[in-house]
Amino acid sequence: GQQLNQSPQSMFIQEGEDVSMNCTSSSIFNTWLWYKQDPGEGPVLLIALYKAGELTSNGRLTAQFGITRKDSFLNISASIPSDVGIYFCAGQKAGNQFYFGTGTSLTVIP
Amino acid sequence: KAGVTQTPRYLIKTRGQQVTLSCSPISGHRSVSWYQQTPGQGLQFLFEYFSETQRNKGNFPGRFSGRQFSNSRSEMNVSTLELGDSALYLCASSADRATGELFFGEGSRLTVL
Repeated sequence: GQQLNQSPQSMFIQEGEDVSMNCTSSSIFNTWLWYKQDPGEGPVLLIALYKAGELTSNGRLTAQFGITRKDSFLNISASIPSDVGIYFCAGQKAGNQFYFGTGTSLTVIP
Repeated sequence: KAGVTQTPRYLIKTRGQQVTLSCSPISGHRSVSWYQQTPGQGLQFLFEYFSETQRNKGNFPGRFSGRQFSNSRSEMNVSTLELGDSALYLCASSADRATGELFFGEGSRLTVL
């Protein structure tokens, strides 16, 4: 099935640094979601976006719904060790199934 | 409010056997979807049910099937298991399939020997 292009694939950063990742698609989406998944667990919803240009924050996390509706961005500020995990984006067309990004693996070095 | 519950969490089967996985969505959620997650393929959509009807189906062979009951609980079945079916199977529910926030369970880890 269709997968979204998510980058970078992996990141190794120092504690306290900011992180940026993005997802792009050739299709227009009506909804963008960002998830974090710990090993052996299910993805946990971090942020949901519903409008082009929308900027939403959840603590140190900020996500944006791209103006073209074909991309979305997630930023994590002042990273801490518990931010370690795999981050996924998901896009949904109106009333249809979700498509997922390939994931960004984040490692935070204390 | 209880989250999405999946059972069993872990199971081991041998090739040729069949398996049934269960998912109880968040109370009030009527849409349930299933995904297969493997290291190489990422999250792959299996199927989605809404009000007991299959609405969407991913590109998986007919060995993979599912159903949804009137209480929105869902099951998926995989028959004639193959080694490649080893994966984390995730169930997700949403209140409204049109503008859904998708909430995942912790998954069922299937190992096929």
